[in-house]
Amino acid sequence: GAVVSQHPSRVICKSGTSVKIECRSLDFQATTMFWYRQFPKQSLMLMATSNEGSKATYEQGVEKDKFLINHASLTLSTLTVTSAHPEDSSFYICSARTGISYGYTFGSGTRLTVV
Amino acid sequence: KNEVEQSPQNLTAQEGEFITINCSYSVGISALHWLQQHPGGGIVSLFMLSSGKKKHGRLIATINIQEKHSSLHITASHPRDSAVYICAVGSRGGADGLTFGKGTHLIIQP
Repeated sequence: GAVVSQHPSRVICKSGTSVKIECRSLDFQATTMFWYRQFPKQSLMLMATSNEGSKATYEQGVEKDKFLINHASLTLSTLTVTSAHPEDSSFYICSARTGISYGYTFGSGTRLTVV
Repeated sequence: KNEVEQSPQNLTAQEGEFITINCSYSVGISALHWLQQHPGGGIVSLFMLSSGKKKHGRLIATINIQEKHSSLHITASHPRDSAVYICAVGSRGGADGLTFGKGTHLIIQP
């Protein structure tokens, strides 16, 4: 089946530094990648939608200059958290649609802790 | 924007019990998804439904489009079924990401 590989699974960084999270579709082409964030005991919330070769679309309240998304190829999308702050500590997960039947495959998630 | 409500929020049951988790949404959808999230955070897609009923092993998912309601059933529950079960809906047209419920935290005790 379709697999999305997400790395790293866990990262701890200092305030003010940047962290890059990668999602790769291993056996299919992901023209669209969705990035979600989940705070403790909350539901997953869509942050942005990235489309290969074009600018990402951000949800209201999500700073595009802080959460940089790059989707330069059909198999790789990256999310960079710039100038990270402790309040950015969260669980980040990507998801790609696997075809016209609207099926979704999820990455394994990245738990970010900013200290 | 779609509102997705799940119930119950928490459920503890004994091994072997029949489990039902409910999901309702407010706006017409392209499809409804049932997902399983384990303590480490990883998410597995269990079902995608646009009508009727689907079965996979001990899991059964149903959807009533007119009533905007879906249920996930687990038969002969087992401790390994313990996880968070999440209902998510996709908008008509399918261009947007999913809208998620808050999840149901299920614990099956031996």
